[in-house]
Amino acid sequence: EVQLVESGGGLVQPGRSLRLSCTASGFTFGDYAMSWVRQAPGKGLEWVGFIRSKAYGGTTEYAASVKGRFTISRDDSKSIAYLQMNSLKTEDTAVYYCTRSTSQWLVRIDYWGQGTLVTVSS
Amino acid sequence: AIQLTQSPSSLSASVGDRVTITCRASQGISSALAWYQQKPGKAPKLLIYDASSLESGVPSRFSGSGSGTDFTLTISSLQPEDFATYYCQQFNNYPPTFGQGTKLEIK
Repeated sequence: EVQLVESGGGLVQPGRSLRLSCTASGFTFGDYAMSWVRQAPGKGLEWVGFIRSKAYGGTTEYAASVKGRFTISRDDSKSIAYLQMNSLKTEDTAVYYCTRSTSQWLVRIDYWGQGTLVTVSS
Repeated sequence: AIQLTQSPSSLSASVGDRVTITCRASQGISSALAWYQQKPGKAPKLLIYDASSLESGVPSRFSGSGSGTDFTLTISSLQPEDFATYYCQQFNNYPPTFGQGTKLEIK
């Protein structure tokens, strides 16, 4: 059974940093691209970023709203994807979902984690 | 970025009703569209991929159609567990984008 479990969320002050983790199980993590999607309270879904598998260079893509502030990485030996969030803003407050993509080039999501809440507030 | 406009934004229906939700893209996206169901406090769940392919384990009362700019999600006979919010998502271009959601409520 595919499982994605996010962790690392919490309350953080504006301008500070936070790192989220997504621990995967039930599939060969290294074969898949992974993506992060967020949802502000009471709002819709917003794609954050994407990382390809090492076989495809492990390259990344980011939404314009987070580019230069957020970084996605992966540790295939631990089956973990990370979302490093720097220079956080109040508008980054959201539930952050880790997702699996069935394509290395397109954000074609099949599984979602349960999400972790990030609150940016002073 | 490609904009996806869902209609209606909310919908009241009864158990047993046939329901159709539409998703219109601001430019052509071939069949690169997915539909998700989200219940309160839960993660979205994939229902339909590639516009019309039913995800494994999803009841056959759900179906999707369309290509290019106009897409539909149809629930043939609403069940109590289907009351939720539905989102479409395009993955033809970067950035991938989502529709604003359609909240399906019990009449």
